[in-house]
Amino acid sequence: DAGITQSPRYKITETGRQVTLMCHQTWSHSYMFWYRQDLGHGLRLIYYSAAADITDKGEVPDGYVVSRSKTENFPLTLESATRSQTSVYFCASKSGVGETQYFGPGTRLLVL
Amino acid sequence: DQQVKQNSPSLSVQEGRISILNCDYTNSMFDYFLWYKKYPAEGPTFLISISSIKDKNEDGRFTVFLNKSAKHLSLHIVPSQPGDSAVYFCAATFDSGTYKYIFGTGTRLKVLA
Repeated sequence: DAGITQSPRYKITETGRQVTLMCHQTWSHSYMFWYRQDLGHGLRLIYYSAAADITDKGEVPDGYVVSRSKTENFPLTLESATRSQTSVYFCASKSGVGETQYFGPGTRLLVL
Repeated sequence: DQQVKQNSPSLSVQEGRISILNCDYTNSMFDYFLWYKKYPAEGPTFLISISSIKDKNEDGRFTVFLNKSAKHLSLHIVPSQPGDSAVYFCAATFDSGTYKYIFGTGTRLKVLA
């Protein structure tokens, strides 16, 4: 499918488990982002990537790991999930021109 | 430190009337402002944007106004339609090609039929 997709859409896990959220975009956008959305906080940037093999921390990176071996994929891994990581996670991408980010549909994660 | 603030968590407007959503920011270095709309269980979608060198941008029923001296922007929707009911986020960024987008906490708009 064209656009930006995320999988899974819903995930329930337990504290201490490793979880990977997937993000795939078909536009060959150079920039990709991971945000979390929590009540009272809006969208907060976790990690971003300017190109394949280039990643950097955002506002709330602790407990998360990212990689970007291919331009189209940007997985987010929770190394040892905690309850505070219960959230809705959005992946986004944008080209090198202009300011508009395009968001995926989100992954709702519940950590028990 | 919330650099982008949406102080109204919710707003209800009658269909056909004007909806005005507000956003305040603290950092005068922001170069670009965007509004996103979000329906439940979907990702945010881009609505309209404005560069800091402008004070108004219009796209159909949507107009964004920027008051740099007051560090304030607003989104006007005229006329409001029931399909506009959603959460609206404002966001700010520094310049083209940057990664740093600061989002507000969102305003839930309900348009009453």
